[in-house]
Amino acid sequence: NAGVTQTPKFQVLKTGQSMTLQCAQDMNHNSMYWYRQDPGMGLRLIYYSASEGTTDKGEVPNGYNVSRLNKREFSLRLESAAPSQTSVYFCASTNRGGYEQYFGPGTRLTVT
Amino acid sequence: RKEVEQDPGPFNVPEGATVAFNCTYSNSASQSFFWYRQDCRKEPKLLMSVYSSGNEDGRFTAQLNRASQYISLLIRDSKLSDSATYLCVVRLTGGFKTIFGAGTRLFVKA
Repeated sequence: NAGVTQTPKFQVLKTGQSMTLQCAQDMNHNSMYWYRQDPGMGLRLIYYSASEGTTDKGEVPNGYNVSRLNKREFSLRLESAAPSQTSVYFCASTNRGGYEQYFGPGTRLTVT
Repeated sequence: RKEVEQDPGPFNVPEGATVAFNCTYSNSASQSFFWYRQDCRKEPKLLMSVYSSGNEDGRFTAQLNRASQYISLLIRDSKLSDSATYLCVVRLTGGFKTIFGAGTRLFVKA
């Protein structure tokens, strides 16, 4: 039981490049989330998916798109990376009750 | 103003000390409350939920005051392994939007 997995662990992009961050969970959770964490800011919600087939914007969605590919997988896409998107990105999932969020190990992204 | 505010610290305490962290929240739609722990360069993990009646888990005690919109975490008999960042977390009514505080850093020294 791997929990929540994320790939890649580290990535360096040039401004304007695109990439997709992958997230998968094997806990049969309904809801999945993408956050970014910046120093002094706490985790901020980018997008979430309450259940398979639905996605909604969070606090900071600009510059990102998401896909809930199936119940297990929720990907985050940066279409044209900007230096302001340098951050640590965490994927999380919760069960139906939403009691506890389980996080992946994070992706450290640097945009130069 | 941030929706969830915490003292960033750091708190530097000796082993065996008692330390308390405070957190205030501003969104009246706040429904559920948690403390998460985050080790350096790791993902956050749930430490404990916070209930209005107060709750305890070993050396950790959490309190919630809904009228004052205030949450606290007390750690007794601090251990070196308690060194981490403690995140105050509020989940809004509806269940999907969760707001994280920026965290309070704790260093426990021998």
